[in-house]
Amino acid sequence: GAVVSQHPSWVICKSGTSVKIECRSLDFQATTMFWYRQFPKQSLMLMATSNEGSKATYEQGVEKDKFLINHASLTLSTLTVTSAHPEDSSFYICSLEVWGQGDNQPQHFGDGTRLSIL
Amino acid sequence: AQRVTQPEKLLSVFKGAPVELKCNYSYSGSPELFWYVQYSRQRLQLLLRHISRESIKGFTADLNKGETSFHLKKPFAQEEDSAMYYCALKHGSGNTGKLIFGQGTTLQVKP
Repeated sequence: GAVVSQHPSWVICKSGTSVKIECRSLDFQATTMFWYRQFPKQSLMLMATSNEGSKATYEQGVEKDKFLINHASLTLSTLTVTSAHPEDSSFYICSLEVWGQGDNQPQHFGDGTRLSIL
Repeated sequence: AQRVTQPEKLLSVFKGAPVELKCNYSYSGSPELFWYVQYSRQRLQLLLRHISRESIKGFTADLNKGETSFHLKKPFAQEEDSAMYYCALKHGSGNTGKLIFGQGTTLQVKP
């Protein structure tokens, strides 16, 4: 069954609004979660590493004030796209790191969130 | 710098034909490499990892450190193999670390 629940799966909103995407771990304690961005038919680009109880680590070129990450518990990380604009439209995917918790995979991925900014 | 390269965006073969999806990497340490698959409208899922040296759904991949490659192979492609395939390298020590993905290759298996 699913290990990661990502919500919402699809969101359409007007330019200038902020959008929050949730990533929940269903079966494991996730001290580390990752947020990716995927353009159509392209690779996953790591945006940031979300650490429970501490600040997220952003990859080079990713605006931390634009993409706010909060990882307040071992089962929930949120990504907020602030003041979204059409160029932020993309597919956002979260994953969680569970290796060593009876699992042999480095990361489990969510279904992704399709964000469309009008 | 750490990098994963998948030179083919699209690979189209007929059912029953052999398949090889290419992956080359650049990494200064001892690499841990994976293949992920994304079927249409489904989440990304692990296909295989080089450490386990296993065969999943008939696919195998051998790590060639001399050529810095980790190509994915299957002797006889099936239509249900049609999907997006990503080669990934784990950057980090121990059991933790971020994944660096290649650009992905779309495999299209025609009947």
